Amino acid sequence: GAVVSQHPSWVICKSGTSVKIECRSLDFQATTMFWYRQFPKQSLMLMATSNEGSKATYEQGVEKDKFLINHASLTLSTLTVTSAHPEDSSFYICSAPGEPSGKNEQFFGPGTRLTVL
Amino acid sequence: GEDVEQSLFLSVREGDSSVINCTYTDSSSTYLYWYKQEPGAGLQLLTYIFSNMDMKQDQRLTVLLNKKDKHLSLRIADTQTGDSAIYFCAESPTGTASKLTFGTGTRLQVTL
Repeated sequence: GAVVSQHPSWVICKSGTSVKIECRSLDFQATTMFWYRQFPKQSLMLMATSNEGSKATYEQGVEKDKFLINHASLTLSTLTVTSAHPEDSSFYICSAPGEPSGKNEQFFGPGTRLTVL
Repeated sequence: GEDVEQSLFLSVREGDSSVINCTYTDSSSTYLYWYKQEPGAGLQLLTYIFSNMDMKQDQRLTVLLNKKDKHLSLRIADTQTGDSAIYFCAESPTGTASKLTFGTGTRLQVTL
């Protein structure tokens, strides 16, 4: 089946630094990718929709200057958390829609755990 | 906006059936999904159902949809310890390429 990878799988950084997370569709193309964040023991909350060739669409309450999204190619989207603070610590998950098996399915990456000290 | 609710926790004995429930508010939901998340891992799609269906069965999984009451359930027959995980229901108005609204997640604990 389709595979979505994320890199890094975990990262620890100091407050005030920026962190870039990559999301790749390994064996299919994705003009759209989605970025979610998940706090401990909570559900996934959609942050933004990444669109190849155009600007990302952010959900209400998500700061676009804080969470920079770049859909660089049909297989790569990046999320940069700028000037990270401890409250940005979370599990960030990306997904990409695809129908390689005929199912209506989004394929999720394994997630990136960010800890800001 | 859309709201999807689940009970937080369910404990069952190995071999018993598990039933995880989900309610949603968006009447335009067309696709309803069940995902499984194991500790530290991404989400795995278990099954999905179109809103014009009442039931779907896939091996040990049975999905029931009551569209009138906006109620979705996932039944796992012969629950195994490997089924211990968090289960999320999710809804989408248009399917694959649209954003998903997730439920709060139900933690399933399978005991011996």
